[in-house]
Amino acid sequence: DTEVTQTPKHLVMGMTNKKSLKCEQHMGHRAMYWYKQKAKKPPELMFVYSYEKLSINESVPSRFSPECPNSSLLNLHLHALQPEDSALYLCASSLSPGALNQPQHFGDGTRLSIL
Amino acid sequence: TQLLEQSPQFLSIQEGENLTVYCNSSSVFSSLQWYRQEPGEGPVLLVTVVTGGEVKKLKRLTFQFGDARKDSSLHITAAQPGDTGLYLCAGFYNQGGKLIFGQGTELSVKP
Repeated sequence: DTEVTQTPKHLVMGMTNKKSLKCEQHMGHRAMYWYKQKAKKPPELMFVYSYEKLSINESVPSRFSPECPNSSLLNLHLHALQPEDSALYLCASSLSPGALNQPQHFGDGTRLSIL
Repeated sequence: TQLLEQSPQFLSIQEGENLTVYCNSSSVFSSLQWYRQEPGEGPVLLVTVVTGGEVKKLKRLTFQFGDARKDSSLHITAAQPGDTGLYLCAGFYNQGGKLIFGQGTELSVKP
């Protein structure tokens, strides 16, 4: 069982829908991440939150909107997505922001399909 | 652009064979991590190597970090079908604090 919980596991939405992905961890980690992963490819970093503040945005389109309501929760709000946004969206956390060499703990992801 | 070159990208072998996966860069890493990902799951950390020349063993898996901290390898002895999955190397550079992933190695071990 992963210590990072993501919901929902699967999501199918139309291009005009608004939906949100949720991520939760109770390990006391202060860095949280969103990644996008296409099949058989490595994860691509989207956003990094450090102490609940957005610290890195990897030039992600504005149709993806992250939110960190508290130190345990991370959301990704989706609006007007495109078919090419279909992918596995992974959330991860690590103990201290900016501290090198620390492992990232990944959730099992949300499989997103855009119709 | 800081790149991690991982090879091979695909590997299909029979149970009992040995294999090695390589991860190379022209840049120096503060550390390298190896992850394994099974279908429908997120990546799971296998090991972190920090010191140049370091060798770590995890049962049938042996991980090496190059002396110059620019490359790493994963060697699996007597592969089992349960070793099947996507293997990812990932490195931290001294600046930015971002984890940079290699392209991944899709391993299939047939019984």
